[in-house]
Amino acid sequence: GDSVTQMEGPVTLSEEAFLTINCTYTATGYPSLFWYVQYPGEGLQLLLKATKADDKGSNKGFEATYRKETTSFHLEKGSVQVSDSAVYFCALSVMDSNYQLIWGAGTKLIIKP
Amino acid sequence: DVKVTQSSRYLVKRTGEKVFLECVQDMDHENMFWYRQDPGLGLRLIYFSYDVKMKEKGDIPEGYSVSREKKERFSLILESASTNQTSMYLCASSQYKQGTYEQYFGPGTRLTVT
Repeated sequence: GDSVTQMEGPVTLSEEAFLTINCTYTATGYPSLFWYVQYPGEGLQLLLKATKADDKGSNKGFEATYRKETTSFHLEKGSVQVSDSAVYFCALSVMDSNYQLIWGAGTKLIIKP
Repeated sequence: DVKVTQSSRYLVKRTGEKVFLECVQDMDHENMFWYRQDPGLGLRLIYFSYDVKMKEKGDIPEGYSVSREKKERFSLILESASTNQTSMYLCASSQYKQGTYEQYFGPGTRLTVT
């Protein structure tokens, strides 16, 4: 069945470092891919998405490219801030039910000043 | 902006109690979801609803039921709470936007069953 695998955390970086959080997926067809972020004490919010191969989603300095050949959707940011500390979830849409999502386990990001 | 609200941020209940978690969305979305979130396990779908009075089981429906009598409201019911249902519960609604369905989440209810 469909699945999403994220790198385990926590990931600890210094402010202004380059960030990569890996996400790979297994899916039939051509799902849409998402990154959601959960700040401490809050619900999840959509960070970015891509709906087809080679699309790049971007928001708040974060980017991710839908790579069909490597079945990946890695999240990147060129210079992280303390305020980026959060849990990041990768997800994909289920092809035969477009309103359901399959979720990765989440990656906790800690940014130190 | 889409707003999804949940009735409580924190809840403490005793084993065997019947527990109601309420979720309301204000954007006329057809689809609504209940998840539980546990460390290391990500989000697991309990139930979802694609229309009023319609519901489908998710991955972990055992011990839970749901009710959707009005489009904006989706309730999760723990018929007889147990300690292994201590968790964070997240409600979401979704809409079709720019080629796919996007989910919008409430702030969550942290439930402790003692």
